[in-house]
Amino acid sequence: GAGVSQSPRYKVTKRGQDVTLRCDPISSHATLYWYQQALGQGPEFLTYFNYEAQPDKSGLPSDRFSAERPEGSISTLTIQRTEQRDSAMYRCASSPGQSNTGELFFGEGSRLTVL
Amino acid sequence: AQTVTQSQPEMSVQEAETVTLSCTYDTSESDYYLFWYKQPPSRQMILVIRQEAYKQQNATENRFSVNFQKAAKSFSLKISDSQLGDAAMYFCAYRSRGAQKLVFGQGTRLTINP
Repeated sequence: GAGVSQSPRYKVTKRGQDVTLRCDPISSHATLYWYQQALGQGPEFLTYFNYEAQPDKSGLPSDRFSAERPEGSISTLTIQRTEQRDSAMYRCASSPGQSNTGELFFGEGSRLTVL
Repeated sequence: AQTVTQSQPEMSVQEAETVTLSCTYDTSESDYYLFWYKQPPSRQMILVIRQEAYKQQNATENRFSVNFQKAAKSFSLKISDSQLGDAAMYFCAYRSRGAQKLVFGQGTRLTINP
């Protein structure tokens, strides 16, 4: 697509439920990132993909968090057994990969509220 | 690990005036990128300006310019002729050339007073 698209834009869930967030990157972009942004803070790195490979998932806070990008395009971020501390904006970004200038292109984010 | 620090949680400026946002970073790398991203309310983050560490010349994009002091590990953003549309959160970010991860500061909320 023309830009990075994320869905849903807003998600309210109850503690203990599982949640899946979706990201559709810019179509020509090889690299896809997930960031978590708490209110009033800067984004924190969670993980990234080069096509379908996931070289770095060091930022995932616990094993309740997982991400996939099975065909090297659309990605999902799943949070199992959500907790209130998971409430945040989840931002997806993409970049061209090898030829990139270092710039990331961000989506509008998915705001998760865990009650 | 690299860290980015923005010491000004909030700044305000009169429309048409100039404002400077501060950023310092810590790294042992010599080759890296630095960025300023703008995040308007309820909108996606967009790149304002970028600087490559090996370039001594400060980057400029229209009304936006940086003061890059590599030895001091300082990377400030100057906005000239401030406009109402400049109101946003501004994030300073760092990325090693060989790495994929972008490290962000805590952000500075900029208010433009008409």
